[in-house]
Amino acid sequence: KAGVTQTPRYLIKTRGQQVTLSCSPISGHRSVSWYQQTPGQGLQFLFEYFSETQRNKGNFPGRFSGRQFSNSRSEMNVSTLELGDSALYLCASTLDTTGGKSGYTFGSGTRLTVV
Amino acid sequence: KQEVTQIPAALSVPEGENLVLNCSFTDSAIYNLQWFRQDPGKGLTSLLLIQSSQREQTSGRLNASLDKSSGRSTLYIAASQPGDSATYLCAVSYGGATNKLIFGTGTLLAVQP
Repeated sequence: KAGVTQTPRYLIKTRGQQVTLSCSPISGHRSVSWYQQTPGQGLQFLFEYFSETQRNKGNFPGRFSGRQFSNSRSEMNVSTLELGDSALYLCASTLDTTGGKSGYTFGSGTRLTVV
Repeated sequence: KQEVTQIPAALSVPEGENLVLNCSFTDSAIYNLQWFRQDPGKGLTSLLLIQSSQREQTSGRLNASLDKSSGRSTLYIAASQPGDSATYLCAVSYGGATNKLIFGTGTLLAVQP
């Protein structure tokens, strides 16, 4: 079965611009969560969506937002990009409603570079 | 605060050695714990998933144990190979009304041929 698909794989943006990243979960998975990975902070939780509703949000500024569509595909948006937003953005999907009992499957990530 | 720590941060071993990676978590009320592998610049590959009611899980040369009461998990790799070189991450889930993982700091493993 197809895994979690993230597009694009790489992005280079200029400070002040905005960017949209896409994540398609495994078929049948309704929960999609996003994570930011940087060398200094490691992997940090951004937000989680389930059935088009944001259920949880990490400690990130309002410039980071997301949404989920009726087919469970999710997008995250970062506005007014800053140099510190350069990171690997990973999304994960799980079959479970809560708790992730069946585990999480991650995509290959989107590498965002802000110059 | 729920935190996950991994020791050591980096490890270099000769090929063929058995090794143990450690993961500790401050809040023992976990729902489950998952070990991942990450190659440079890539996404996460799931290795093993341990539910809170389980003590260990095995897959090939990998064995993961869980001790909730002490807040610890270990990943044992038998007969290490150069292809095992990667960063290993543990992540815990605390359940609740959401799906969220809290990640450890990672162990960078280098297996020398």
